[in-house]
Amino acid sequence: EAQVTQNPRYLITVTGKKLTVTCSQNMNHEYMSWYRQDPGLGLRQIYYSMNVEVTDKGDVPEGYKVSRKEKRNFPLILESPSPNQTSLYFCASKTQGAWNEQYFGPGTRLTVT
Amino acid sequence: AQSVAQPEDQVNVAEGNPLTVKCTYSVSGNPYLFWYVQYPNRGLQFLLKYITGDNLVKGSYGFEAEFNKSQTSFHLKKPSALVSDSALYFCAGAERGNQFYFGTGTSLTVIP
Repeated sequence: EAQVTQNPRYLITVTGKKLTVTCSQNMNHEYMSWYRQDPGLGLRQIYYSMNVEVTDKGDVPEGYKVSRKEKRNFPLILESPSPNQTSLYFCASKTQGAWNEQYFGPGTRLTVT
Repeated sequence: AQSVAQPEDQVNVAEGNPLTVKCTYSVSGNPYLFWYVQYPNRGLQFLLKYITGDNLVKGSYGFEAEFNKSQTSFHLKKPSALVSDSALYFCAGAERGNQFYFGTGTSLTVIP
């Protein structure tokens, strides 16, 4: 089944403790992206990657890191999480071309205390 | 700056009535516009998109959207709403560089 998977689905952590949210897709998509969803703000793009070893900042990259060492994986790293990073995070992937639709993972709900 | 706006946080409609969820955009050049739906505790699912050509775009589950360049709008429509259409709807725009802009979302409730 074609899908985007994220792990973990739920995470509660404390301020400053480094964490990684994994994202994997099995559709051989070149493009992958991370978003955060907050009430009243919709989805905001954090980082995106147009291919292996190519990443770019989205609208809200501060406090996040990403890497794209393999085509199928695009982990999101929070080196020192803070409470304002409490949010619902989505990974997405698609084929190349801005006109192509994205396939979204199920989401990761992160709480930073 | 590129942006997409959804002016209504909440839309209520009776089952069987037509529904409209509004979206306006500010994207330079020729916009690529999308509608996604989010059901509770799920990721977003693609509904339809406008690339170029016909201003009326048909998508999944009987939804359609009308692209209006003069009004910079891309409203989502359905002739007859179902209770199962109740969900959160997002409009999104993209520019050539593959950066995406989402609206704040509209919660649609279809009343039986």
